[in-house]
Amino acid sequence: DAKTTQPNSMESNEEEPVHLPCNHSTISGTDYIHWYRQLPSQGPEYVIHGLTSNVNNRMASLAIAEDRKSSTLILHRATLRDAAVYYCILRDVEGDQGGKLIFGQGTELSVKP
Amino acid sequence: GAGVSQSPRYKVAKRGQDVALRCDPISGHVSLFWYQQALGQGPEFLTYFQNEAQLDKSGLPSDRFFAERPEGSVSTLKIQRTQQEDSAVYLCASSPSVGSYEQYFGPGTRLTVT
Repeated sequence: DAKTTQPNSMESNEEEPVHLPCNHSTISGTDYIHWYRQLPSQGPEYVIHGLTSNVNNRMASLAIAEDRKSSTLILHRATLRDAAVYYCILRDVEGDQGGKLIFGQGTELSVKP
Repeated sequence: GAGVSQSPRYKVAKRGQDVALRCDPISGHVSLFWYQQALGQGPEFLTYFQNEAQLDKSGLPSDRFFAERPEGSVSTLKIQRTQQEDSAVYLCASSPSVGSYEQYFGPGTRLTVT
């Protein structure tokens, strides 16, 4: 599976936007970009995913570079409840049985009041 | 509605004991995954079921680990002769169909081997 690179940690102030970067220079044409987050003492939860176009949902936005070698998860207004580890994951849904997730180290986001 | 549940939430085992960890996926979900998460690390894939068929067990670390899903719903992960390095959080996830983009995770079972 293609690898992703994320900063180990980031800090944000409450009610400000947060941009979480992810590099995936070896992405293949059938890899979808998925983001999950894991709040303390909980299992991971799905945030958003995309292939080529930018995506928006109620939780976040995903901006994908034109060459698809990088992407950015955008939280428009960080709250204290957004403090979590954010994982950027490449997933070949077509080529891989079932679509198992290969997690990296993720980015630990802390939010200051 | 009910999400994925796991039991027990916490388990302490003496080295050499056998343990069984249970996962109740969301009703009707076809795909079920087990992951292992060591302290401070991201989750690592263990095994995958499509209904009752175990289609991928490439992540199981040794033959002491065994998983089953006999009726295509509840799944059990069994670890025989536990070792200290088995201490981790074991996460279960389910998804509605093969290749669904979203996996729904349970809260995990924290296993401590003493």
